[in-house]
Amino acid sequence: GAGVSQSPSNKVTEKGKDVELRCDPISGHTALYWYRQSLGQGLEFLIYFQGNSAPDKSGLPSDRFSAERTGGSVSTLTIQRTQQEDSAVYLCASSLVTDNQPQHFGDGTRLSIL
Amino acid sequence: GNSVTQMEGPVTLSEEAFLTINCTYTATGYPSLFWYVQYPGEGLQLLLKATKADDKGSNKGFEATYRKETTSFHLEKGSVQVSDSAVYFCALSSNYGGATNKLIFGTGTLLAVQP
Repeated sequence: GAGVSQSPSNKVTEKGKDVELRCDPISGHTALYWYRQSLGQGLEFLIYFQGNSAPDKSGLPSDRFSAERTGGSVSTLTIQRTQQEDSAVYLCASSLVTDNQPQHFGDGTRLSIL
Repeated sequence: GNSVTQMEGPVTLSEEAFLTINCTYTATGYPSLFWYVQYPGEGLQLLLKATKADDKGSNKGFEATYRKETTSFHLEKGSVQVSDSAVYFCALSSNYGGATNKLIFGTGTLLAVQP
């Protein structure tokens, strides 16, 4: 079956612009996670959605970052007024209902801020 | 807080050599433990997992045993191949105290296998 799909695969933008990253999880997966992979910080958790529960936003690095998940499926991660330190690979993962089910990752969006 | 420490790389081995990548963790409660692999130019893939003490996860010739007494989850393979060259990440997740099962990753270990 289809895996986690992320778009775009690459995004280059100028400092100060807003960007929107999209994640389409595996069908039937109610849990959705965003992570960031960068050279200086490794792999970091950003935000988590589970069904209709309030999202866990504890990993978002600043108020320029936000995410939503519409209809319990597709999610978008928005970064406003991008900075050079936002350059990273943004990974989305989904899983079945929690209780330590493995997370399945998309190929990521490589974001470069000029 | 919860954390994962894994050996730094790069690890360079000849084909058919024995591989060990060390991983230790700190966590409250009873986390699940994972190894993920990232091949060049590809996304993260789950390699194996273990959800309770003394469980052994295995896949593609790789193994790791959940050792609660030493808080370790070392990755081993008896005979590596060139195609095993990748970055390996140790990770844990926990729903203890209402936590959300987010993955906490180690820094990753680059493995390079030479023919």
